[in-house]
Amino acid sequence: EAQVTQNPRYLITVTGKKLTVTCSQNMNHEYMSWYRQDPGLGLRQIYYSMNVEVTDKGDVPEGYKVSRKEKRNFPLILESPSPNQTSLYFCASSPAAGFSYEQYFGPGTRLTVT
Amino acid sequence: AQSVTQLDSQVPVFEEAPVELRCNYSSSVSVYLFWYVQYPNQGLQLLLKYLSGSTLVKGINGFEAEFNKSQTSFHLRKPSVHISDTAEYFCAVSWEGSYIPTFGRGTSLIVHP
Repeated sequence: EAQVTQNPRYLITVTGKKLTVTCSQNMNHEYMSWYRQDPGLGLRQIYYSMNVEVTDKGDVPEGYKVSRKEKRNFPLILESPSPNQTSLYFCASSPAAGFSYEQYFGPGTRLTVT
Repeated sequence: AQSVTQLDSQVPVFEEAPVELRCNYSSSVSVYLFWYVQYPNQGLQLLLKYLSGSTLVKGINGFEAEFNKSQTSFHLRKPSVHISDTAEYFCAVSWEGSYIPTFGRGTSLIVHP
């Protein structure tokens, strides 16, 4: 089944404790991205990647890191999480970086930083 | 900067009533338009998209949307909603030359029995 998977689905952590949220897709998509969803603010893009080893900042990159060493994986790293990073996170992929392509979303990771 | 506006944050309706969710965007240059739906505790999934051709686009679950270039709008409609349509709906716009789609803030459709 074609899908985007994220792990973990739920995570509660403390301020400053490094964490990684994994994202993987099995559709051989070139383009992957991370979003955060907050009430009243909709979806905001954190980082995106147009292909392996090619990443760039989205609208809200502060406090996050990403890497794209393999085509299928695009992990999101929070080196020192803070409470304002409490949010619902989505990974998405699309066949290529082009404005005509729809995006395929993972199920989401709900992160709480205390 | 380009922007996408979903005029209603919440739309309550009764079952079997018609509904329209509004979406406007900031520029009429070449655009591709999308509506996504997010059911509770799930990720977003594509409802429909407009790339070119007929301005009336039909999607899944009986939804349709109309592209209006002069009004820079892409409103989503359904003639008769069901309880199962209760979800968050996002309009997204991609402008030519940009790799980053812009999402609206979402509209919560609440269908009452």
